[in-house]
Amino acid sequence: GAVVSQHPSWVICKSGTSVKIECRSLDFQATTMFWYRQFPKQSLMLMATSNEGSKATYEQGVEKDKFLINHASLTLSTLTVTSAHPEDSSFYICSAMEEKLFFGSGTQLSVL
Amino acid sequence: RKEVEQDPGPFNVPEGATVAFNCTYSNSASQSFFWYRQDCRKEPKLLMSVYSSGNEDGRFTAQLNRASQYISLLIRDSKLSDSATYLCVVSGTGRRALTFGSGTRLQVQP
Repeated sequence: GAVVSQHPSWVICKSGTSVKIECRSLDFQATTMFWYRQFPKQSLMLMATSNEGSKATYEQGVEKDKFLINHASLTLSTLTVTSAHPEDSSFYICSAMEEKLFFGSGTQLSVL
Repeated sequence: RKEVEQDPGPFNVPEGATVAFNCTYSNSASQSFFWYRQDCRKEPKLLMSVYSSGNEDGRFTAQLNRASQYISLLIRDSKLSDSATYLCVVSGTGRRALTFGSGTRLQVQP
């Protein structure tokens, strides 16, 4: 089946720093990728839809200047959490559609 | 009202038991329905799609009731390895991402 690779798996950083998460579709081209966030014991919440070659579409309540999304190629989307704070600590996961939705392995972000 | 609602559980069942989860959705225009399984701090993995006619995959049976807007998942002969969170997932029209329920936690005990 289709494979979506996400890196890094774990990030621990100091408050105020920026963190970049990469999401790659390994054996298919993805014009659209999705970024989710999941807090403990809660559901996956869609943050934004990443569109290749154009601006991302953000869900209501998600700050586009804080969560920068770049989808410069058909196989790579990146999410940068700028000036991260402890409340940004969460599980971030990307996905792409190839008939069905396939997920990256997720990134656990801990901001100290 | 949430778009997709599930009983969070946990459902604690002994090995070999049969357990059923239900999920309700609010958008009557929803077109596709899935059950995903998620282990702690891992990505969700597709368990099965749900069709109007109902479908079965080994010990797992999924059913869709469009009139009442609910989806069910039945697990027979539960195994310890079935312990996980089961996510009900619904999609609408177009290429918008799927909407996830908050999940139902299952714990199968020896």
